[in-house]
This record gives sequence, structure tokens and C-alpha cells, in this order.
Amino acid sequence: EPEVTQTPSHQVTQMGQEVILRCVPISNHLYFYWYRQILGQKVEFLVSFYNNEISEKSEIFDDQFSVERPDGSNFTLKIRSTKLEDSAMYFCASSESGRLSGANVLTFGAGSRLTVL
Amino acid sequence: GENVEQHPSTLSVQEGDSAVIKCTYSDSASNYFPWYKQELGKGPQLIIDIRSNVGEKKDQRIAVTLNKTAKHFSLHITETQPEDSAVYFCAASTYNNNDMRFGAGTRLTVKP
Repeated sequence: EPEVTQTPSHQVTQMGQEVILRCVPISNHLYFYWYRQILGQKVEFLVSFYNNEISEKSEIFDDQFSVERPDGSNFTLKIRSTKLEDSAMYFCASSESGRLSGANVLTFGAGSRLTVL
Repeated sequence: GENVEQHPSTLSVQEGDSAVIKCTYSDSASNYFPWYKQELGKGPQLIIDIRSNVGEKKDQRIAVTLNKTAKHFSLHITETQPEDSAVYFCAASTYNNNDMRFGAGTRLTVKP
């Protein structure tokens, strides 16, 4: 079964450092997403991406965050200057379609745990 | 924006009993309501979803009901098994809207 792959599984960084989290979405999917989950809390939407541009972003996704699809397979989330409160599990997801066409099903990766010290 | 509330936050049942998790949403335009199961160390996995033109959907031991008037939907698991133990999230999204909003999650424990 196709799956969304995320690397690294766990990253520890110092406050103020830049972090890049990587994702390989399912190959025929067109919509890509990043969500985050602070320990013990709900899964929160960060950003959605389609056709090489951001289609929606939440209030959490401020100027320190950016996303990119550098090639045909990877989808990255960059945090420019990490803060302690950025410590969380970051989930990448992809979907075949962003519309309710019967295919708006999100497939999540296993997550990347970010620990900021 | 959409706000999804989920109850209870924890639920413990005996194996074989039923479990019910309830969610409410705020945006009347929401019309897609998936349920995700998250096991320890894994990402959320879709287990069932329902669209606004349907009031109830069933898949083996899992069923979901939707009341659009009251803006609430529920997950029902019958004949629970220990492997059903996980955190369950409800979510809601609107047509043409990619920002799916999640509830806070319910930690279900099924005791053998």
C-alpha cells in the first residue's frame, strides 16, 4: 500500500537553529499538507500546498515557516529559527484531490519528532 | 474558522462492550467528517469518513452518525477488542477547503 514517508523520525536541535523536515508524498497525489501535534494535544493544521504554491495556511504558520517542493518527489517544511515551543510531532500528509470528489482522503506519514533545546 | 470539539478525552471499556465518541463542529459549511485512529508512534490513519449527504455509515464494527442540524457526529465501535486501544480523532472540513480541523482526541482503552 502506498505510504507517505517522513525523515528524520526524530531531530534534536538548539533554539535558534534552522530545521528542515522532509516528506515524500504518495506519487500520484497532488495536494500536500503539514500538521503538527504538540505532545498530548490535538493535531493542528499548518499549511496546504498545491501546484507549487501555498493554498491555505493557519495562524500558526508564520514567517519563520516555509514549505517547498524542490523536486518531483520531496515536500519540505523549513523552520528558520526554532523556538522551544516548536517542539512537537510534525506530520506530513497528501491527498489525491483537494476537492470532495471522493478522493479528499488524507494519508499521513508517521511523523517527525522535533525537540528544541 | 472551523472549531471541532471532541468528548470524552479518555474512555475505558471492557472488551466486548461498545464505545461512543462524540464531536461537534461550528462551521455549517463543513461537509466532510473523517475519523482517524492514531496508534503509539504512528501517524493518524483514516478508519471511516462520512459526507454531509449521508446520515449514517457503517463498516463492520465501526459506524459513524451525522446530525447536520445539530452539527454533531459520533463514532461507534461495537464488540471492542484490545487492538482498538488508541487515540481517535474526529475532523471536519469544507468543500474546496484544504484545512481540515481536528478534535482534541479521545484515548480509548479496551481492557481484556
